[in-house]
Amino acid sequence: DQQVKQNSPSLSVQEGRISILNCDYTNSMFDYFLWYKKYPAEGPTFLISISSIKDKNEDGRFTVFLNKSAKHLSLHIVPSQPGDSAVYFCAARAGGYQKVTFGTGTKLQVIP
Amino acid sequence: DTAVSQTPKYLVTQMGNDKSIKCEQNLGHDTMYWYKQDSKKFLKIMFSYNNKELIINETVPNRFSPKSPDKAHLNLHINSLELGDSAVYFCASSQGSYSNQPQHFGDGTRLSIL
Repeated sequence: DQQVKQNSPSLSVQEGRISILNCDYTNSMFDYFLWYKKYPAEGPTFLISISSIKDKNEDGRFTVFLNKSAKHLSLHIVPSQPGDSAVYFCAARAGGYQKVTFGTGTKLQVIP
Repeated sequence: DTAVSQTPKYLVTQMGNDKSIKCEQNLGHDTMYWYKQDSKKFLKIMFSYNNKELIINETVPNRFSPKSPDKAHLNLHINSLELGDSAVYFCASSQGSYSNQPQHFGDGTRLSIL
């Protein structure tokens, strides 16, 4: 049973536009959410996170939004740059425990 | 000066063999992990050690045996390799097994079983 779902396997966006990556979860015990970015032949690298007590967290061009009632979060990248082309993984955990559950990823392509 | 390093990067071997993957982190973290990314790109935790003590052990065949000689190293030994073991294995580390500190990943070991 996949508790973290990324239903869009891929996304193409023009350079300079906004990229919106979506993630849904089913486990109501999740209280901390993370986004990781992964380039080919490399490991995932941490991008941004959000606690369930917040509904928005911003870091430069990256903003994560959390809608607890809908069990949905999204990552916004504005403006998108070609270097943002990568696979983005949504992840979640419960109660501070470091057992992280990952989604299957969304491959973002930013077209110059 | 790589933070989390895994060796080897690629591993091609035959069914039935025994192999090991090594992982080392120089971040001073006290918790380390092994993840498996299968052909569907699903990244799933296998094991976690905190200060050399096993704290997460998911439903993994007992052919997989992690070993942590110290908190900077977590190795994975796999006995009697099967075709279904073909995957990319990622090592990761973090500070604290109960914290909001993100996990740092190695670049993965691609294991191919012939």
